[in-house]
Amino acid sequence: DQQVKQNSPSLSVQEGRISILNCDYTNSMFDYFLWYKKYPAEGPTFLISISSIKDKNEDGRFTVFLNKSAKHLSLHIVPSQPGDSAVYFCAGTFSGGYNKLIFGAGTRLAVHP
Amino acid sequence: NAGVTQTPKFQVLKTGQSMTLQCAQDMNHNSMYWYRQDPGMGLRLIYYSASEGTTDKGEVPNGYNVSRLNKREFSLRLESAAPSQTSVYFCASSEIGRGNQPQHFGDGTRLSIL
Repeated sequence: DQQVKQNSPSLSVQEGRISILNCDYTNSMFDYFLWYKKYPAEGPTFLISISSIKDKNEDGRFTVFLNKSAKHLSLHIVPSQPGDSAVYFCAGTFSGGYNKLIFGAGTRLAVHP
Repeated sequence: NAGVTQTPKFQVLKTGQSMTLQCAQDMNHNSMYWYRQDPGMGLRLIYYSASEGTTDKGEVPNGYNVSRLNKREFSLRLESAAPSQTSVYFCASSEIGRGNQPQHFGDGTRLSIL
């Protein structure tokens, strides 16, 4: 049972344009959602998070939107840069317990000059 | 700033062999985690240690054991390696085991079981 789904394995965007990465979840008990970015041969690095009581969180070029009724979140990158080319994972977690992250399968973003 | 250090980076084993993956963090974090990543899938939690002296199973613990040696180090052991354990293994740490505390990951160990 995949609790977190990233249905687009890949996305290609031109430099300067907006990148929108999508994530759907089934577990309504998630309290937080996090986005991680991963370059080849490196570990994931934390990018941005959002609490389930919020509908938007912004950090520089990165904004995450949460639609609880649709069980959907998205990561917007504006403007996109070639250095943003990486695999992006979304993950859901719970405020209680032990910080268990449930990851999606990831979306590979390619930003072309 | 080393962060989370994993050794080795690559390893090839034969079926039935055993080995230990090492992980150390220098951020004074309380919680540590082991994940595996397989093609087309997200990272899945194998074991975690909420604090020094405690360990618990995650989603996919079968075939693995762990040891929280001290606050800095958390090792993962494969007692009898199987081809299904071919994967990339990531160690992570966080200050405490709360949902809004981001985990910091090492660069992974790529393990192949023949």
